[in-house]
Amino acid sequence: AQTVTQSQPEMSVQEAETVTLSCTYDTSENNYYLFWYKQPPSRQMILVIRQEAYKQQNATENRFSVNFQKAAKSFSLKISDSQLGDTAMYFCALQGGGGSNYKLTFGKGTLLTVNP
Amino acid sequence: GAGVSQSPSNKVTEKGKDVELRCDPISGHTALYWYRQSLGQGLEFLIYFQGNSAPDKSGLPSDRFSAERTGESVSTLTIQRTQQEDSAVYLCASSRRSGQHSPLHFGNGTRLTVT
Repeated sequence: AQTVTQSQPEMSVQEAETVTLSCTYDTSENNYYLFWYKQPPSRQMILVIRQEAYKQQNATENRFSVNFQKAAKSFSLKISDSQLGDTAMYFCALQGGGGSNYKLTFGKGTLLTVNP
Repeated sequence: GAGVSQSPSNKVTEKGKDVELRCDPISGHTALYWYRQSLGQGLEFLIYFQGNSAPDKSGLPSDRFSAERTGESVSTLTIQRTQQEDSAVYLCASSRRSGQHSPLHFGNGTRLTVT
């Protein structure tokens, strides 16, 4: 079974500062994808960033970057220059290989508040 | 183009009644997912449709839950004899094709409240 663990239920950061959200996972697959999704109060899940497990280079999307440590099964999200609009729930997700490679397994989320 | 559309946005129902939730995926997306998000929890997989293949129903929590999808069009999730523990946000997502190379696009969800 695949599991995703987010150990920080809530975090806060001052506007313009940097914050890191933690995620660990477990899977027996070698080929898999990791994602961070953002869920603002509108409830829509928005893809923030995606990492392919076979790529060693950490993914980056503008102010968002990841620290992917495959051996440690760790996948943290760094948000630089935090903005008020970054306030949301953030979910880490794993999409594994094998026969059910379409399923996403989600963590329980981290509520991030950006303070002015 | 239009995103994934879900209706109703909110639904309040009495315990024991049946409810039907609708999802209209992005045009051309062959894969469709239903997830449930309970308060304080992550997203729980319910069911997956891919084209005309048999759906993966392994996540449905009980036989009171069922879902249908005709071809690559609209899907409906039906909950019979609703219980209070069914209260949650039900999220639908679609992707261009199955597998890890196609990111999921989510709708805004239906918040179901069973009183």
